[in-house]
Amino acid sequence: EIVLTQSPGTLSLSPGERVTLSCRASQRVSTPYLAWYQQKLGRAPRLLIYGTSSRATGTPDRFSGSGSGTDFTLSISRLEPEDFAVYYCQQYGNAPFTFGGGTRVEIK
Amino acid sequence: QVQLEESGGGVGQPGSSLRLSCVASGFTFSRHPMHWVRQAPGKGLQCVAVISFDGRNKFYADSVKGRFTVSRDDSKDTLSLQMNSLREDDSAVYFCARFSSSLAALDLWGQGTRVTVSS
Repeated sequence: EIVLTQSPGTLSLSPGERVTLSCRASQRVSTPYLAWYQQKLGRAPRLLIYGTSSRATGTPDRFSGSGSGTDFTLSISRLEPEDFAVYYCQQYGNAPFTFGGGTRVEIK
Repeated sequence: QVQLEESGGGVGQPGSSLRLSCVASGFTFSRHPMHWVRQAPGKGLQCVAVISFDGRNKFYADSVKGRFTVSRDDSKDTLSLQMNSLREDDSAVYFCARFSSSLAALDLWGQGTRVTVSS
């Protein structure tokens, strides 16, 4: 099983700041098979990024994804109030299709 | 409208059974693999069951293997999860989600249905 470790667990930031979230895999994940989701309190997750760096329909261009091998990153260039949420990475390279533990981005 | 709608959640005692359903609308259900993903209170996401587009291949998380059964009825655009021998650690919100093979990601999620297992 591929274990995805997200860091940090929580980030306290102000609107307008830039943020970088990390997702580290215990084994290599092919770039087409790494996705990021955003989840707001009480809501279902929403696909943000697929294939490591492609924005899903409706994802603002302030969101970007990068990485390869075992290290992947989600960046938000300038935090907007609606971006405060929990972010999860997920891999589809090998079953089980594991999620990371999530990073909470909260308002400072 | 493209959507997934879950139902069937509720409260059960340890050892009991529940059946979750997920009705798809607005897209060709039969073309997509489907997932059940759960989220325990205050916790992260866990993929518990996957079914291929044709229903021939199924995957289960170790924690539910032998107790949960995923199925689909393409004539009714419905995904199901039969949950037997429920345990307290099965308590969670259960989401159904559509897998997009072109994106290799879950691109459509239902709103979730809550399952509580308690004595």
